Amino acid sequence: DGGITQSPKYLFRKEGQNVTLSCEQNLNHDAMYWYRQDPGQGLRLIYYSQIVNDFQKGDIAEGYSVSREKKESFPLTVTSAQKNPTAFYLCASSPRYTEAFFGQGTRLTVV
Amino acid sequence: AQSVTQLDSQVPVFEEAPVELRCNYSSSVSVYLFWYVQYPNQGLQLLLKYLSGSTLVKGINGFEAEFNKSQTSFHLRKPSVHISDTAEYFCAGGTGANNLFFGTGTRLTVIP
Repeated sequence: DGGITQSPKYLFRKEGQNVTLSCEQNLNHDAMYWYRQDPGQGLRLIYYSQIVNDFQKGDIAEGYSVSREKKESFPLTVTSAQKNPTAFYLCASSPRYTEAFFGQGTRLTVV
Repeated sequence: AQSVTQLDSQVPVFEEAPVELRCNYSSSVSVYLFWYVQYPNQGLQLLLKYLSGSTLVKGINGFEAEFNKSQTSFHLRKPSVHISDTAEYFCAGGTGANNLFFGTGTRLTVIP
């Protein structure tokens, strides 16, 4: 089936550790996105990529990094510089000029 | 700058009653508009979209929305809600820049 796969579904991180969230799509979409969701704040854009080997910072990129080496994959690394990483992270992809399709999300908790 | 505003953070409604979830947008360029639904601990699912053409858009699960350019609104409606409609609903806008901007969400609670 076509879709977007995020893994893992739940992730626990110790303070000071980097963690990487996986996002894979088999929809052949050019654009991919990472959003962070906190209660009562909607979705905030972290990074987006419109083409392989190119990506742009969103509204809250500090403390995060991404790569886009393959069209299908857009992993997000939450670095130790991110002071409040506990949140629900959503990956999405889209063809041009239309809606985004979302994965099922990864819930990251700092312990 | 582009933005969308969802005017109600929570909407309780009795089962089988009609509901309207309000969304206003602000954009200096042509904008595409969407409504998404999110169930707990899941991703977002597209309910409906307005790209161009007819201003009345019908979506899944019996929902519809009307694009009103003069009032810069894109309100979501359903004539009769079910318990299963309890969820978080997000209005979103997009421009040619391949970048969606989201409202803060409206939590719809259907009361038996």
